[in-house]
Amino acid sequence: QQQVKQSPQSLIVQKGGISIINCAYENTAFDYFPWYQQFPGKGPALLIAIRPDVSEKKEGRFTISFNKSAKQFSLHIMDSQPGDSATYFCAASRGHNFGNEKLTFGTGTRLTIIP
Amino acid sequence: DTEVTQTPKHLVMGMTNKKSLKCEQHMGHRAMYWYKQKAKKPPELMFVYSYEKLSINESVPSRFSPECPNSSLLNLHLHALQPEDSALYLCASSQPRDSQREAFFGQGTRLTVV
Repeated sequence: QQQVKQSPQSLIVQKGGISIINCAYENTAFDYFPWYQQFPGKGPALLIAIRPDVSEKKEGRFTISFNKSAKQFSLHIMDSQPGDSATYFCAASRGHNFGNEKLTFGTGTRLTIIP
Repeated sequence: DTEVTQTPKHLVMGMTNKKSLKCEQHMGHRAMYWYKQKAKKPPELMFVYSYEKLSINESVPSRFSPECPNSSLLNLHLHALQPEDSALYLCASSQPRDSQREAFFGQGTRLTVV
């Protein structure tokens, strides 16, 4: 129930294309869904996050689509650039206790943008 | 300042050594976390401190001992580690309010146990 399933494991997209990464969860108590971007040798950095009361959130070239009934959410990267090449993790958490939140991460997607 | 600073960046230690990892943040965050990340895997939660008190211990072996001396500092004391403990150790912090869930991660300490 605590798992977050992420796909694909790796993704190659041409420069200028749309990168799409999908995640699915089981625990309906999750109420916060962030995406993290991680470059080699660095810690994860928050990219964008969404709560289940909205179906879509857009920040620049990055969009989260959220389907509450299907318990799925996805990250879309428009006009993908070589600098977007990184590992992306979806995550989920529930705020049952302040300061006791646990981020449950997906397994990660290694994205490569080719020229 | 939106940084979480971890030192050292790299650490090589023998199985009989005692060492400490340090983490510092000046964002006023009152929740701090230790994660362990193996290559090509997601971060795994080890410990959570909330208001300087240990609130979550994810059944981590006692050879890892966390400490939170004040609201800005978090340490991870290491003793008698095993080679399989080699990993990237990440510190993170967040504000334990429902309206702000963003966790900021440090760059990590790359630990190698020999």
